[in-house]
Amino acid sequence: EAQVTQNPRYLITVTGKKLTVTCSQNMNHEYMSWYRQDPGLGLRQIYYSMNVEVTDKGDVPEGYKVSRKEKRNFPLILESPSPNQTSLYFCASSFSGGQPQHFGDGTRLSIL
Amino acid sequence: GESVGLHLPTLSVQEGDNSIINCAYSNSASDYFIWYKQESGKGPQFIIDIRSNMDKRQGQRVTVLLNKTVKHLSLQIAATQPGDSAVYFCAEWWAGGTSYGKLTFGQGTILTVHP
Repeated sequence: EAQVTQNPRYLITVTGKKLTVTCSQNMNHEYMSWYRQDPGLGLRQIYYSMNVEVTDKGDVPEGYKVSRKEKRNFPLILESPSPNQTSLYFCASSFSGGQPQHFGDGTRLSIL
Repeated sequence: GESVGLHLPTLSVQEGDNSIINCAYSNSASDYFIWYKQESGKGPQFIIDIRSNMDKRQGQRVTVLLNKTVKHLSLQIAATQPGDSAVYFCAEWWAGGTSYGKLTFGQGTILTVHP
């Protein structure tokens, strides 16, 4: 089954404790992206990647890091999480930028 | 389920009615548009898309209309069913001279279908 898998689905942690949200896709997609979704603000892009070792900033990259060492994986790293990063996060992938993106089921992060 | 928006536009319809969800997009240079459906606790799910060289595209029970003159997109759902209840997002994609472009999402509309 074609899918985008995110882990964990839920995480409650404290300010400053580094965390990683993993994302994996099994569709051989080149394009992968991270979004955060906040009430009233819709989906905003954090980072995206066109292929292995090629990443770039989206609209709200501050406080986040990503890496793309393998085509199928695109982890999101919060080196020093802060409460304003409490949000619902989605990973997505597609063959290229101008194609429908497939989304994971989301990761709910709460930073206390 | 998770809350995906506060003060979003809402549309309430009766089962069997046709639904029309509207979206105004911002960039006249956008050349690809997508509609997504998001159910509670899930990620956005692709419904239908349309390129800027078209003004109408039909899928199964859904039709997307594009009016580039006024930068307006609409999603029509025929014979709406309770399972169609969800938040619907439009998204516009602009190539911007690159191979990956930029995808921007609208705020979303909450559709509630009453049995």
